[in-house]
Amino acid sequence: DQQVKQNSPSLSVQEGRISILNCDYTNSMFDYFLWYKKYPAEGPTFLISISSIKDKNEDGRFTVFLNKSAKHLSLHIVPSQPGDSAVYFCAASAAGGGADGLTFGKGTHLIIQP
Amino acid sequence: DVKVTQSSRYLVKRTGEKVFLECVQDMDHENMFWYRQDPGLGLRLIYFSYDVKMKEKGDIPEGYSVSREKKERFSLILESASTNQTSMYLCATVGRGSPLHFGNGTRLTVT
Repeated sequence: DQQVKQNSPSLSVQEGRISILNCDYTNSMFDYFLWYKKYPAEGPTFLISISSIKDKNEDGRFTVFLNKSAKHLSLHIVPSQPGDSAVYFCAASAAGGGADGLTFGKGTHLIIQP
Repeated sequence: DVKVTQSSRYLVKRTGEKVFLECVQDMDHENMFWYRQDPGLGLRLIYFSYDVKMKEKGDIPEGYSVSREKKERFSLILESASTNQTSMYLCATVGRGSPLHFGNGTRLTVT
């Protein structure tokens, strides 16, 4: 049973526009959420996180929104740049920080069109 | 800055071979993890370890074992490699208050 779902395998966005990547979860024990970015032939790199006590966290062009009642989070990238083309993984943890490992979604391949 | 080093970027092995994937971290973190990444399946946890000589099964441990003889080193072992173990293998570590940090991965092909 998939506890973290990214329902869009791919997303194409024009350069300069907003990219919105979505993630849903089913486990109400999850209290810490992260987004990772992955380029081909490299390991995932941490992008941004949010704790369940917040509903928004912002870091430069990246903002993560958390809607606990809907068990939904989203990553907004504004403005989108060519270097943002990558696979984005949503991840969640019930241990507050990943000590037991993270549960990952299947990923969304973001393609930024020039 | 956390450094997680995986000994090989690419490996090609034959079916039935014993395969060792090595991972070393330089941050004195207690927690280390092995994931595999497959297209359309995301990242799946194979095994993790809280401390030396300690191991816990993840979501897909079948066909794998691990070894943690020293704190900085966490090895993934495929006792008898099979073609369905062709994948990208990712080692990761986490410290208190920090997010999971990954190595660059080992692309294993089993023929």
